Amino acid sequence: EAQVTQNPRYLITVTGKKLTVTCSQNMNHEYMSWYRQDPGLGLRQIYYSMNVEVTDKGDVPEGYKVSRKEKRNFPLILESPSPNQTSLYFCASSLQGRANEKLFFGSGTQLSVL
Amino acid sequence: AQSVAQPEDQVNVAEGNPLTVKCTYSVSGNPYLFWYVQYPNRGLQFLLKYITGDNLVKGSYGFEAEFNKSQTSFHLKKPSALVSDSALYFCAVRFRAGGTSYGKLTFGQGTILTVHP
Repeated sequence: EAQVTQNPRYLITVTGKKLTVTCSQNMNHEYMSWYRQDPGLGLRQIYYSMNVEVTDKGDVPEGYKVSRKEKRNFPLILESPSPNQTSLYFCASSLQGRANEKLFFGSGTQLSVL
Repeated sequence: AQSVAQPEDQVNVAEGNPLTVKCTYSVSGNPYLFWYVQYPNRGLQFLLKYITGDNLVKGSYGFEAEFNKSQTSFHLKKPSALVSDSALYFCAVRFRAGGTSYGKLTFGQGTILTVHP
């Protein structure tokens, strides 16, 4: 089944403890991206990747890192999480990152930073 | 700066009545507009998109959207609402980010649609 898989589904951590949220897609998509969803703010793009080893900042990249060493994986790294990073995170992918392509989303990761 | 706005936080309609969820945008050049839906405890699903051509776009689950360039709007519509349509709806626009990349994507704030039996 074609899908975008995020792990974990839920994560509770403490301030300053490094964490990684994994994202993997099995559709051979070149484009992948990360979003955070907050009430009243909708989804905001954190980082995106047009292809392997090509990443760029979205609208809210501060406090986050990403890497794209393989086409299928696009992990989101929080080196020193803070409470304001408590949010619902989504990974998404599309075929080549062209303007007319729809996104395929993962099921989300609910992160709580205490 | 490019932006998308959904002026209504919530929309309430009775089952069987037509529904409209509003979206306006601001983007230089030609916009590439999308609607996504989020059901409770699930990821977002694609509904429909406007790229070029007919201003009325048809999508999944009986939804359609009307692109209006003069009003810079892309409202989502359905002739007869179902209780199962109750969900969170997002409008989104894709645009060039300084060069040739269409990597940046901007979403609206979201509109909660509630359809009452």
